[in-house]
Amino acid sequence: SQQGEEDPQALSIQEGENATMNCSYKTSINNLQWYRQNSGRGLVHLILIRSNEREKHSGRLRVTLDTSKKSSSLLITASRAADTASYFCATDANNYQLIWGAGTKLIIKP
Amino acid sequence: DAGVIQSPRHEVTEMGQEVTLRCKPISGHDYLFWYRQTMMQGLELLVYFNNKAVMDDSGMPKDRFSAKMPNASFSTLKIQPSEPRDSAVYFCASRIGAETQYFGPGTRLLVL
Repeated sequence: SQQGEEDPQALSIQEGENATMNCSYKTSINNLQWYRQNSGRGLVHLILIRSNEREKHSGRLRVTLDTSKKSSSLLITASRAADTASYFCATDANNYQLIWGAGTKLIIKP
Repeated sequence: DAGVIQSPRHEVTEMGQEVTLRCKPISGHDYLFWYRQTMMQGLELLVYFNNKAVMDDSGMPKDRFSAKMPNASFSTLKIQPSEPRDSAVYFCASRIGAETQYFGPGTRLLVL
């Protein structure tokens, strides 16, 4: 089942610009994870943020989590053509299942 | 580590035929997940195992789908009989404890 919602559904920006994607969810969570999927490939884990964390960084990625609003955002700074992919958020609500959003399709224009 | 291995990578079959998808999880991982991805439905969890036992198969059509994990290093997802609406990409993923999932490359299934 899907309960997470990503926003926007699609995003097209120029190379070098920053890309921001948002994720909202419905239930209390243990952690929230972001994954990337390149066309025709499997999903690759990017970053995990726990419910007691508010912000996390990994290279050019910055994730924030607001549990009061049940939302998270993924910021990719200084985007590159290789960042073109679909990005999914997934929430872990303590039952070892991940609840997935529908994804944001990001296109980086050269 | 070789990562999660799936086979076959592509499968084309005719309606009514049996299809078997295979997955080898990462060694030491105690959770294994089968997902289906389509443009219309997105990523759907079909079934998952913990230590080879089925934990939740509520997302799997029981009349035609079956999943097994006979040992810690191998799992199958079988569709019998297959239908055109089963056409999708099927992913296997594994994880250890409550950590991130590692996905295989997927099996692209086309049922004609």
